[in-house]
Amino acid sequence: QSVLTQPPSVSAAPGQKVTISCSGSSSNIGNNYVCWYQQLPGTAPKLLIYDNNKRPSGIPDRFSGSTSGTSATLGITGLQTGDEADYYCGTWDSSLSAVVFGGGTKLTVL
Amino acid sequence: DVQLLESGGGLVQPGGSLRVSCAASGFSLSNYAMTWVRQAPGKGLEWVSAMSGNAGGTYYADSVKGRFTMSRDNSKNTLYLQMNSLRAEDTAVYYCAKGPSPFITAAGSDWGQGTLVTVSS
Repeated sequence: QSVLTQPPSVSAAPGQKVTISCSGSSSNIGNNYVCWYQQLPGTAPKLLIYDNNKRPSGIPDRFSGSTSGTSATLGITGLQTGDEADYYCGTWDSSLSAVVFGGGTKLTVL
Repeated sequence: DVQLLESGGGLVQPGGSLRVSCAASGFSLSNYAMTWVRQAPGKGLEWVSAMSGNAGGTYYADSVKGRFTMSRDNSKNTLYLQMNSLRAEDTAVYYCAKGPSPFITAAGSDWGQGTLVTVSS
């Protein structure tokens, strides 16, 4: 059971927009920065979003992050088949003194 | 360019020990927080341990506390994870990741390719 809760799967058509939610608590998302990763099959995770809404160099602006209270959301616009992957949210948990991840969400681009 | 290269994975019996390494290049390990994350076959990401930069603190997941020890050799620019009393549930690909600053966060800006640790008799 993950500390952060994500939907197991989401799907959308190419060109459409999708959002992935990540729910936590005041000890993690509510008071610490959130990041998001994309993991393609057989590869290491890739940082998409850090500090809630910042994109590392090279990440297209189709990817966006936001937070509200104890929840975070990853948005992906202009979906492409290459976006099919697993997506994870993560943050620091001040009560656990630990990094925590969501269980992951599998994105299918139909 | 930042590069992280893990090594040392393999097959080990339950109760055994193994040390995995992460050789870093393109930056100085001592200036950045470093993290170990593992992923069991077909499962999600699980944080294992993190060490802050500049001789800061080290933190462990409850699942490995007392059994795993994270360390670094600044002269070799290499990170280590010593794993003792290994269990079947420790079977996973182990990744090292570099943080964007000396402070521990969930954000890993650069990751290694991972090394597979299999605990089985």
